[in-house]
Amino acid sequence: EAGVAQSPRYKIIEKRQSVAFWCNPISGHATLYWYQQILGQGPKLLIQFQNNGVVDDSQLPKDRFSAERLKGVDSTLKIQPAKLEDSAVYLCASSLGETSGVLGNIQYFGAGTRLSVL
Amino acid sequence: SQKIEQNSEALNIQEGKTATLTCNYTNYSPAYLQWYRQDPGRGPVFLLLIRENEKEKRKERLKVTFDTTLKQSLFHITASQPADSATYLCALDPSGGYNKLIFGAGTRLAVHP
Repeated sequence: EAGVAQSPRYKIIEKRQSVAFWCNPISGHATLYWYQQILGQGPKLLIQFQNNGVVDDSQLPKDRFSAERLKGVDSTLKIQPAKLEDSAVYLCASSLGETSGVLGNIQYFGAGTRLSVL
Repeated sequence: SQKIEQNSEALNIQEGKTATLTCNYTNYSPAYLQWYRQDPGRGPVFLLLIRENEKEKRKERLKVTFDTTLKQSLFHITASQPADSATYLCALDPSGGYNKLIFGAGTRLAVHP
């Protein structure tokens, strides 16, 4: 079974530029998550999709971050304009979803995109 | 306020010993708790899930306990090996429902030969 695919693996941009990250979840997984992980911290949820609808985006800085999940499969996360404090690893994860009970919330992560904002 | 706390200091142990990592939480009532392993440059990998009505869960050399009275989970690795060196993250569902996890900051474990 293929895992969660993310690209690019690394990105270096200057502040005020824009950047986009792409995620392809595990086939059949209804729920998709984007996390921000700052060095030395745990992953922080930015946005959660159930199929192609947003379930939780309470911690997404909506003035600069946006995300969409096309046709309930792939997803993109965009930052525009980037700030220095956006330097972090952006992780995408997927899970079967709540219809699969408690085990449906086991999350499978991609390798992440390391973003450096200069 | 709601908090999940893991020991921020790295845990250094000798190969063959048992490693014990702690996860404490405040002002949550999780229905379950999960443990993940994260290696440098990689995403977290699921290890174990324990429900609120389970006291203990085992998988090979791994054991997790869950005490809802103490609001604490302990994660044990017996007969530790250098390959067990990684950061271990605990995560819980914040609302007693499904589908969302809040992660602790993780504890870095280093197993020395």
